[in-house]
Amino acid sequence: GAVVSQHPSRVICKSGTSVKIECRSLDFQATTMFWYRQFPKQSLMLMATSNEGSKATYEQGVEKDKFLINHASLTLSTLTVTSAHPEDSSFYICSARDQDRSPYNSPLHFGNGTRLTVT
Amino acid sequence: AQTVTQSQPEMSVQEAETVTLSCTYDTSESDYYLFWYKQPPSRQMILVIRQEAYKQQNATENRFSVNFQKAAKSFSLKISDSQLGDAAMYFCAYKAAGNKLTFGGGTRVLVKP
Repeated sequence: GAVVSQHPSRVICKSGTSVKIECRSLDFQATTMFWYRQFPKQSLMLMATSNEGSKATYEQGVEKDKFLINHASLTLSTLTVTSAHPEDSSFYICSARDQDRSPYNSPLHFGNGTRLTVT
Repeated sequence: AQTVTQSQPEMSVQEAETVTLSCTYDTSESDYYLFWYKQPPSRQMILVIRQEAYKQQNATENRFSVNFQKAAKSFSLKISDSQLGDAAMYFCAYKAAGNKLTFGGGTRVLVKP
């Protein structure tokens, strides 16, 4: 089945530094990827939609200068948390859809997530 | 905007018994898809079952089945013959055109041996 690889699985960084999270579709091409954030014991909240070759679309309330998204190829999207602060500590999950399948009935494939801790 | 509501924060079930998780949603769309995802402690999102809104027949995947009531905008999940490995968070999700998945708040399922 379709696999989405997300790296790193865990990262600890100091306040003020930037962290990059990668999301790769391993056996399919994805023109669109999605980035979610999940706080402890809460649901997944969509942060942004990553579009290959164009700017990402951010959900209301998500700072685009804080969470930089780059989707430079059909298999890779990156989320960079810039100038991270403790309140950015969370679980981040990416998902992708196989572009060769109908957008209406193909499921999204999820990465294993990244646990970010900002000290 | 579409909303998905899961009214049960936690459900407990005895091993081998049946549990039903509720989900309601709000939409003005006529064509959409509904999903149930399982999230075990590993945090991996696992697709359990999905339902196309245009299909009247309820989806079934082994021990998992749904009761889809389009007019009532209800999409419940039934887990039959519950197993210890079913213990997890379960999220109901909605998707219309545009691929965006909207998740409900989740229901934690506890399975008692």
